[in-house]
Amino acid sequence: KAGVTQTPRYLIKTRGQQVTLSCSPISGHRSVSWYQQTPGQGLQFLFEYFSETQRNKGNFPGRFSGRQFSNSRSEMNVSTLELGDSALYLCASSLNGQGTGELFFGEGSRLTVL
Amino acid sequence: GENVEQHPSTLSVQEGDSAVIKCTYSDSASNYFPWYKQELGKRPQLIIDIRSNVGEKKDQRIAVTLNKTAKHFSLHITETQPEDSAVYFCAASKNTGNQFYFGTGTSLTVIP
Repeated sequence: KAGVTQTPRYLIKTRGQQVTLSCSPISGHRSVSWYQQTPGQGLQFLFEYFSETQRNKGNFPGRFSGRQFSNSRSEMNVSTLELGDSALYLCASSLNGQGTGELFFGEGSRLTVL
Repeated sequence: GENVEQHPSTLSVQEGDSAVIKCTYSDSASNYFPWYKQELGKRPQLIIDIRSNVGEKKDQRIAVTLNKTAKHFSLHITETQPEDSAVYFCAASKNTGNQFYFGTGTSLTVIP
């Protein structure tokens, strides 16, 4: 069974631009969540989608948005990029949508904002 | 919201010694506490978890303990090996979907 796939793996943007990241979950997983990982901050929750609905949202500004498609694939978008948005963005899928099961992470999309 | 604190941020042990990583959480409604291991340049992977109705769980050289009253949980690794070197993250969640609150991580180095 294929794992969680994230694209692109690396990207460089400049301040003010926008970016879209994609995540394909493990087949059969309907829950997809996104995390921002930065040195010293650990993993910070961005949002979670389940059956195309955003169920939970973390404390990030409205520049961060996402969506989920009917095939469970998810995208996140960051508009008006700032230097502080440079981070590794991890997507995770889960079979269990109740917050009590294993998260399967992708390898991440490393965003650098210049 | 939930706040998870993790200590220490770095830990070095000699091969064969034990390592202990501690986490505290603030929301008494949290009921699931997983631990993830992230090797350098790789994705985080679940190594062990514990639910709030259990006080201790063990899997070979790894164990996790939970004290609900004090709101803290710990990861114990015995007989450490060089391949245990990685960053370890604790996390907490409750039954409101897959919203996990992670600690800031512990970088464990096992010295051969």
